[in-house]
Amino acid sequence: EPEVTQTPSHQVTQMGQEVILRCVPISNHLYFYWYRQILGQKVEFLVSFYNNEISEKSEIFDDQFSVERPDGSNFTLKIRSTKLEDSAMYFCASRGPINDYEQYFGPGTRLTVT
Amino acid sequence: AQSVTQLDSHVSVSEGTPVLLRCNYSSSYSPSLFWYVQHPNKGLQLLLKYTSAATLVKGINGFEAEFKKSETSFHLTKPSAHMSDAAEYFCVVSDNLDKIIFGKGTRLHILP
Repeated sequence: EPEVTQTPSHQVTQMGQEVILRCVPISNHLYFYWYRQILGQKVEFLVSFYNNEISEKSEIFDDQFSVERPDGSNFTLKIRSTKLEDSAMYFCASRGPINDYEQYFGPGTRLTVT
Repeated sequence: AQSVTQLDSHVSVSEGTPVLLRCNYSSSYSPSLFWYVQHPNKGLQLLLKYTSAATLVKGINGFEAEFKKSETSFHLTKPSAHMSDAAEYFCVVSDNLDKIIFGKGTRLHILP
């Protein structure tokens, strides 16, 4: 069964460093998403991406964040200068055609900023 | 604006007894509603979804949920709990497909 994959599973970085989190969505999906879950808190929407551009973003998704689909298969989330409060689990999700309501989630990347 | 409230942060039931996880939502439009499950160190898996078809929705692993517009509720139930059901459950609401809002989650504990 096709699935969304994410790498790495765990990333440790120092405050101020740039990180790139990678996702490979399901191959025929058209819509892509990033979410984060700070430890002990709920899952929060960050951004949605369709047709090579951001379609919606939350207040959390400020200028420190960017997304890219560099090669037609990967979908990346970049944090330019990490802060301690960026420590969280980051989930990627993808969705198929316009009438398919289900988002398929990856296993997540745990980001620890020290 | 849409929001979702999961009324219990923790629920404990004995194996073989019924499960009820409560969810209330707020939405400006006709929402789509989902329940996701997260097992320890795993990703989020869709249990079931409501998208304006039948109000009683059946999902995987014997779970089902009923959409009650008058009560703005979408409670998740299962007739008989199994040890493997121990996990975190998230109720999710969406007014549009591009932005979904998660509840805070309910951790389900199964007692032997």
